[in-house]
Amino acid sequence: GAGVSQSPSNKVTEKGKDVELRCDPISGHTALYWYRQSLGQGLEFLIYFQGNSAPDKSGLPSDRFSAERTGGSVSTLTIQRTQQEDSAVYLCASSLVFTGGRDTQYFGPGTRLTVL
Amino acid sequence: AQSVTQLGSHVSVSEGALVLLRCNYSSSVPPYLFWYVQYPNQGLQLLLKYTSAATLVKGINGFEAEFKKSETSFHLTKPSAHMSDAAEYFCAVSDGNQFYFGTGTSLTVIP
Repeated sequence: GAGVSQSPSNKVTEKGKDVELRCDPISGHTALYWYRQSLGQGLEFLIYFQGNSAPDKSGLPSDRFSAERTGGSVSTLTIQRTQQEDSAVYLCASSLVFTGGRDTQYFGPGTRLTVL
Repeated sequence: AQSVTQLGSHVSVSEGALVLLRCNYSSSVPPYLFWYVQYPNQGLQLLLKYTSAATLVKGINGFEAEFKKSETSFHLTKPSAHMSDAAEYFCAVSDGNQFYFGTGTSLTVIP
C-alpha cells in the first residue's frame, strides 16, 4: 500500500479482555516501530523491529504487552488482561531500514483503544 | 534515559508572524533530533531531522531548526506563519536505540 495502515481504527473492549492491534508497514520497509499516545501526553516509544527481531523490549509498559512481527512485514501488538490505563492511541511507524535511530519514520493513522 | 521538553503546550501567532517552537533535550551523547507535525485528522509526518551533519536543518513548508549543543536545544522556526501551519508539533530525540517524544505544542495561527 501507499502508507502504513493499522487496524482496527477503533477498538472498545472491556477490562480484563485481550486485544490485538495490527500494523501493515510500507512495502519494503524493514524497520517497524510501536508507540502509545495517551490523552494529553506525548508519544511513548514501546518497541521497534529490525526485520522480525526486536532488539530491545524494555519500552513495553508491562508483561501484559507483547509484540511480534512475522515475514518481515505485518506486526501485531497484543495487550493481555487490558486495564483502563491502557486506553490510548497506539501508533505504528515504519522506516526503510534501521540505521541507529536516525531514519525517517512514516506513521500510520493509529488505533484508538478504549478500555471500559 | 533521555527526555524532551517542549516549552509551551499552546502557542498562538498571527498570520505572517515568526513561529518559534521550543525544544530542549537531555542527552549525554550527541543525539538524533526530529520535529514531527500532526495536522488535524492526519497522521504524524516528519518536518525535519538532525543527524550530525549541518547544525541548521531545513525542512518542509519553510520550517527550519538549529541544533545548539551548548544549550541542548533544537528550536523550530518559520519566518512567516500561514494559516495552514496550524497543527500539533512534536520534538523527538533518538539515542540510537530508543525514541523519546515531547508532549507536543499546539500551534494556532490567528488571521
